[in-house]
Amino acid sequence: EPEVTQTPSHQVTQMGQEVILRCVPISNHLYFYWYRQILGQKVEFLVSFYNNEISEKSEIFDDQFSVERPDGSNFTLKIRSTKLEDSAMYFCASSEGWQGINEQFFGPGTRLTVL
Amino acid sequence: DQQVKQNSPSLSVQEGRISILNCDYTNSMFDYFLWYKKYPAEGPTFLISISSIKDKNEDGRFTVFLNKSAKHLSLHIVPSQPGDSAVYFCAASAENTGFQKLVFGTGTRLLVSP
Repeated sequence: EPEVTQTPSHQVTQMGQEVILRCVPISNHLYFYWYRQILGQKVEFLVSFYNNEISEKSEIFDDQFSVERPDGSNFTLKIRSTKLEDSAMYFCASSEGWQGINEQFFGPGTRLTVL
Repeated sequence: DQQVKQNSPSLSVQEGRISILNCDYTNSMFDYFLWYKKYPAEGPTFLISISSIKDKNEDGRFTVFLNKSAKHLSLHIVPSQPGDSAVYFCAASAENTGFQKLVFGTGTRLLVSP
């Protein structure tokens, strides 16, 4: 069964460093998403991406964050200068398309630890 | 931001019995609802969804009920199995965001004992 994959599973970085989290969405899906879950808190929407541009973003997704689809398969989240509070599980998701209702399928997550 | 609430942090049920997980929402713009299951160290796994034009949707052992006037939905699992033990999240989205932004509840941890 097709699935969303994410690498790395765990990333440790120093405060102020740049990190890139990688995702391979399900191949025939057109919408891509990033969510995060800080320990003990809710899963929160960060951004959605369609047709090579951001279609929705939350207030969390500030100028420190960017997303990119560098090729036909990968979808990346870059955090330019990490802060301690960026430590969280980051989930990538994808869904089939625009026509109304479509379920989002999630990857296993990348645990980001900022020291 | 408490737009989607799951007031029971945990639920314990015996194998074979019914599990009922509840979810309330406050935003009347929500019109599509989903339930996800999550095991530790894994991403959320989609279970079942329901549109606001329906009040019930069934898929095998899982049934979701929606009461729009009460802004309440529930997930019924019958019969419950030990493998159902996980954290269950309800999530909601709205047409005005193209159903793209899922707003999650805090989750209910279900424990099904043999």
